[in-house]
Parts: sequence; C-alpha cells; structure tokens
Amino acid sequence: GDSVTQMEGPVTLSEEAFLTINCTYTATGYPSLFWYVQYPGEGLQLLLKATKADDKGSNKGFEATYRKETTSFHLEKGSVQVSDSAVYFCALSDRMKTSYDKVIFGPGTSLSVIP
Amino acid sequence: NAGVMQNPRHLVRRRGQEARLRCSPMKGHSHVYWYRQLPEEGLKFMVYLQKENIIDESGMPKERFSAEFPKEGPSILRIQQVVRGDSAAYFCASSPQGDPQLYMTLFGPGTRLTVL
Repeated sequence: GDSVTQMEGPVTLSEEAFLTINCTYTATGYPSLFWYVQYPGEGLQLLLKATKADDKGSNKGFEATYRKETTSFHLEKGSVQVSDSAVYFCALSDRMKTSYDKVIFGPGTSLSVIP
Repeated sequence: NAGVMQNPRHLVRRRGQEARLRCSPMKGHSHVYWYRQLPEEGLKFMVYLQKENIIDESGMPKERFSAEFPKEGPSILRIQQVVRGDSAAYFCASSPQGDPQLYMTLFGPGTRLTVL
C-alpha cells in the first residue's frame, strides 16, 4: 500500500540556519502531498500542499516541491526561527483513488530551534 | 467559522470505563475522519464516515471501538472498557463533498485521552 518515509530526527538547529527535512513516498496512483505541523500541545495544521508533479507548495517561508521522478517532497526553509520548533509530518492522500481523504502520514520529524 | 471542534480536549478515564470523544465538523462539511496518534507512533487513520454511514473503518480496532455520525449532532468515537494502551491523541478531521482534486480537509485540535 501507499506509504510515507521521512527523516525522524530529532533535528536541532540554531536560529537562522537552513532547514531540510527529507520525505519520500510510495504510491501506486497520483497522490496529493502535504506537510503538516504540530506545535507542542496543539493539533495539526496544514503547512503546505502540492497536488501534482512539479507543483511547489509554500507557506510561512517553508517550501516543498513535488518530485515525481524521485518520489520526494522535501521540506525546506532558508532561515528558521525559534517559533518553528514543532513536529513536522509529511503526508499523502490519493483522493482520485479513494474519492475521500484517507491521509497517510509519515512518522514525524521533531525540530528544535535554539537561539 | 469555528473550524473543526473536538471535545473534550483532555479526557481521563480509569481502566474499564468508557470514553466518548466528540467531533463537530466544520460548517458545510459532510465527511468526518478519525485518526489516532499513539505515543512514539505516527498518526494512523481509523475511520471515515458520512452522515449516518460508515464508509471505511479499516483502521479501527476490531473490538471496543465504534464510531457514528448521526443525522443530527456531532460525530462520536466511543471506546468501551478502556485499557492503558488506548492512551493517545485522537484527531478528528472533516471535509466537504466535492471536487476530488481539491484538498479541503481540516483537522481539529484533538482529544488527549489518558487511561489510568
């Protein structure tokens, strides 16, 4: 079945450092890809999404490009802030296959940004 | 727009008791999903419901767990005779009927269940 793999961390960076969190997926169809963020003690927030190959999702300085040839959707940010400390989940959903949003999540990557 | 509402936010139960988790989908959303986040594990799909119908329950444990989404009122995830292993965060999500190319699913803040 479909699955998502991502670097598990924890990742610790200094403020203003460059961030990359790797994510690769396995899917038989044409899924949409997402990054979700979970701040401490809170629920899930959709950070960005891409629905087809070569789409770039972006939000709050974060970016990820849907690479079908490498089945990847790596998350990047040029300069992280302490407020970016959270757990980041890569995920996919193939609504064309199921007709509903059965989201498959990666294991999550914990990010800590220190001043 | 209040978004997806879940209550309670925190629930403590003793082993053997029942837990009822409620989810009110976003206004206009007719599809509800439940996910579970176990400690040290990722988020896993449990069940997908439309009004009065369970469409996909492939992620639901076979025993003690049930879900409903009645014609009126919130969706309920019910866990009977809870055990310590049920301690987790339970997230509800909702989406509207519509274009499969549009991703409009929203997640609620979650209910954190602790079983003593």
